[in-house]
Amino acid sequence: EDQVTQSPEALRLQEGESSSLNCSYTVSGLRGLFWYRQDPGKGPEFLFTLYSAGEEKEKERLKATLTKKESFLHITAPKPEDSATYLCAVQANDMRFGAGTRLTVKP
Amino acid sequence: NAGVTQTPKFRVLKTGQSMTLLCAQDMNHEYMYWYRQDPGMGLRLIHYSVGEGTTAKGEVPDGYNVSRLKKQNFLLGLESAAPSQTSVYFCASSPRTQGSYEQYFGPGTRLTVT
Repeated sequence: EDQVTQSPEALRLQEGESSSLNCSYTVSGLRGLFWYRQDPGKGPEFLFTLYSAGEEKEKERLKATLTKKESFLHITAPKPEDSATYLCAVQANDMRFGAGTRLTVKP
Repeated sequence: NAGVTQTPKFRVLKTGQSMTLLCAQDMNHEYMYWYRQDPGMGLRLIHYSVGEGTTAKGEVPDGYNVSRLKKQNFLLGLESAAPSQTSVYFCASSPRTQGSYEQYFGPGTRLTVT
């Protein structure tokens, strides 16, 4: 069965303290791995799609990377406005989501 | 473009009552989805549609029905609500053209069943 596991569940950073979020997956026939940002009380917002191992995507302070078993979302010099829950999802026969990592960035 | 909209935003039901959640998208997407989100469990797919007039079951379909009479609308129905259906419900749409699987979500409906 397709599975997506995100770690850590929660992460607290000081402003400017870089770190990474992990998404490990087991799936047959990966068609894409997705990162979403979700703010409290709102729907997930699409960030990135990664299709093959070795691929990287960047957007402002975020950089997503993909290997055959996991993906990382690197956050460089985060700001308080980066605080949110980050969701990882994999597309095979259907879309499976991880439970998310709740990121808090303190000023 | 409004993107994906959902109505209502909040609803409280008593056990056994019925209701319909409405999702609308103005992006001309073929695929539409209904998810529920519960604490610690991530988003789980209830039903989805690959086009007007078609629907299919997802991971957790029991207790729900859907209809897609128009391409831009996707309705989720609860025939007899149960406390286990207390959740936040999200609708999403996807172009699914040229391998684009990303989904665009609505703002959600918070449903409480007492």
